[in-house]
Amino acid sequence: AQSVTQPDIHITVSEGASLELRCNYSYGATPYLFWYVQSPGQGLQLLLKYFSGDTLVQGIKGFEAEFKRSQSSFNLRKPSVHWSDAAEYFCALLNTGTASKLTFGTGTRLQVTL
Amino acid sequence: GAVVSQHPSWVICKSGTSVKIECRSLDFQATTMFWYRQFPKQSLMLMATSNEGSKATYEQGVEKDKFLINHASLTLSTLTVTSAHPEDSSFYICSAYTLQGAYEQYFGPGTRLTVT
Repeated sequence: AQSVTQPDIHITVSEGASLELRCNYSYGATPYLFWYVQSPGQGLQLLLKYFSGDTLVQGIKGFEAEFKRSQSSFNLRKPSVHWSDAAEYFCALLNTGTASKLTFGTGTRLQVTL
Repeated sequence: GAVVSQHPSWVICKSGTSVKIECRSLDFQATTMFWYRQFPKQSLMLMATSNEGSKATYEQGVEKDKFLINHASLTLSTLTVTSAHPEDSSFYICSAYTLQGAYEQYFGPGTRLTVT
């Protein structure tokens, strides 16, 4: 069965510092992977996605993610965090075989200190 | 483009009553809509998948008689929580999917349901 693991429940970084949020997946075929951000009381906004091709994916708001098949990982990075980046971040895996369902990780809450 | 709306954004109802939540794709036709439930500080759990004109497919453990889903058109899906109880209080989020969207689901802003 497919699964997504986000090992870090909560991360605190200082504004201006770099950020890396971890995501590991388990899937029997080529994974389609997404990173979403959710602000409190809001829906989800897509940051970036990986389907194939270049393993370094650029997204919105200065985020990028690198797909590493050998490590079953899709970590999200940002070189310099802004206070407005404080939110909940979800990694998700698409199951293309079952009505395009998404499996979400448990999420990582990012806190940014000034 | 690819905007999904939900109405209402929040609702308070009394125990035993029913509540309807609407999910609309505003600028595209959604072949499939998904309904998720999210408890505080937790991840999204898929409740059901609905396709226009057909019965919804519910995930294991979701009571289909309690959470009625109607996908009446390519732009509208509704979730009705019947005989609501306090344990149904949650954040409900819908998403819409189109074949032209390259596997991307477009999420609504969510509906906060509080049952008193």
